Amino acid sequence: GAVVSQHPSWVICKSGTSVKIECRSLDFQATTMFWYRQFPKQSLMLMATSNEGSKATYEQGVEKDKFLINHASLTLSTLTVTSAHPEDSSFYICSASLWGGYTFGSGTRLTVV
Amino acid sequence: SQQGEEDPQALSIQEGENATMNCSYKTSINNLQWYRQNSGRGLVHLILIRSNEREKHSGRLRVTLDTSKKSSSLLITASRAADTASYFCATDAGNQGGKLIFGQGTELSVKP
Repeated sequence: GAVVSQHPSWVICKSGTSVKIECRSLDFQATTMFWYRQFPKQSLMLMATSNEGSKATYEQGVEKDKFLINHASLTLSTLTVTSAHPEDSSFYICSASLWGGYTFGSGTRLTVV
Repeated sequence: SQQGEEDPQALSIQEGENATMNCSYKTSINNLQWYRQNSGRGLVHLILIRSNEREKHSGRLRVTLDTSKKSSSLLITASRAADTASYFCATDAGNQGGKLIFGQGTELSVKP
């Protein structure tokens, strides 16, 4: 079946630094990828839709200059959290879409100290 | 934005009992999906039900969909301790580029 690899699985960074999270579709080409954020004991909130070769579409309230998304190829999308602050600490999950089906990465636990 | 509500928010049952979780949504949908998430992990797709379907089965899972009430339910029969997880419904409106909108989730605890 379709597999999405997300890396790293966890990261701790200092406040003010930037962190890049990668999402790769391993055995298929994903024209669209989605990035979600999940706070403890809460549901997944869609942050943005990443389309290969074009700009990402951000959900209302998500700062596009803070959460940079790049989808340079059909198998890789990256989310960069710039100038991270403790309130950005969360669980970030990517999802790849192929012909209406969805496969999720295993998530990245970001802790900003 | 969240699509709707799930209830209960938390459910604790004994092994062997059935677990029923409900999901309501607000807009028209193309399909509704149920996912499972173990603590701190990614999501596992359980089942998809299309808007023109009313009921679907997969192993110990039974999903119903009532588009007139904009609601769905997930039934897990003969639950096991390994079913302990959070369960989320997610809707695909079909006209929003394929993005899924998730419900609040139900935290299921199955005690051995």
